[in-house]
Amino acid sequence: GAGVSQSPSNKVTEKGKDVELRCDPISGHTALYWYRQRLGQGLEFLIYFQGNSAPDKSGLPSDRFSAERTGESVSTLTIQRTQQEDSAVYLCASSPRDPALGEQFFGPGTRLTVL
Amino acid sequence: GEDVEQSLFLSVREGDSSVINCTYTDSSSTYLYWYKQEPGAGLQLLTYIFSNMDMKQDQRLTVLLNKKDKHLSLRIADTQTGDSAIYFCAESMKNKIIFGKGTRLHILP
Repeated sequence: GAGVSQSPSNKVTEKGKDVELRCDPISGHTALYWYRQRLGQGLEFLIYFQGNSAPDKSGLPSDRFSAERTGESVSTLTIQRTQQEDSAVYLCASSPRDPALGEQFFGPGTRLTVL
Repeated sequence: GEDVEQSLFLSVREGDSSVINCTYTDSSSTYLYWYKQEPGAGLQLLTYIFSNMDMKQDQRLTVLLNKKDKHLSLRIADTQTGDSAIYFCAESMKNKIIFGKGTRLHILP
């Protein structure tokens, strides 16, 4: 089976534009995460979906960031009015159960460059 | 607060052992993880240890856990050039996993 996929792999946009990033988790994985990794930095937690529960949005840095997930399928991360500091690799991960009990499977990431 | 600390860089000669250290904050963490990120590639789980264990060995990898000091280490025996990567320590906390900033392992010839 396929792993976690993300699209696009690279995105270059102008400051002020909106962008939408997509994540396809591994089929059957109930948990889905979004992280941000700035150049030379660690992973910054953004948002977590678990099944049909309300998402944990505690990591979203501002109200310009939002994410959606329909059921246990695809998720989209939307950044409105992008700023240069939004430039980073955005990583998606999925997990088949409570992630505290097991590993997360990461996608290859979307590299976002805001000019 | 939530914090996982690790040194940012480590240089080791090929053939020597590498030891990457990490401290974490949540004593209730169920699992502690080591993830590896190779250049241009995604993160992959390297190994993990359950919180009621002190040590776990897997081929060239040895994980040591000191719960009292909240200290985790990863030892890589006979370090090879293919071990060059960034190694992330992570702890499970509530409904998420908290990652450190990563230790970049550089292999000297």
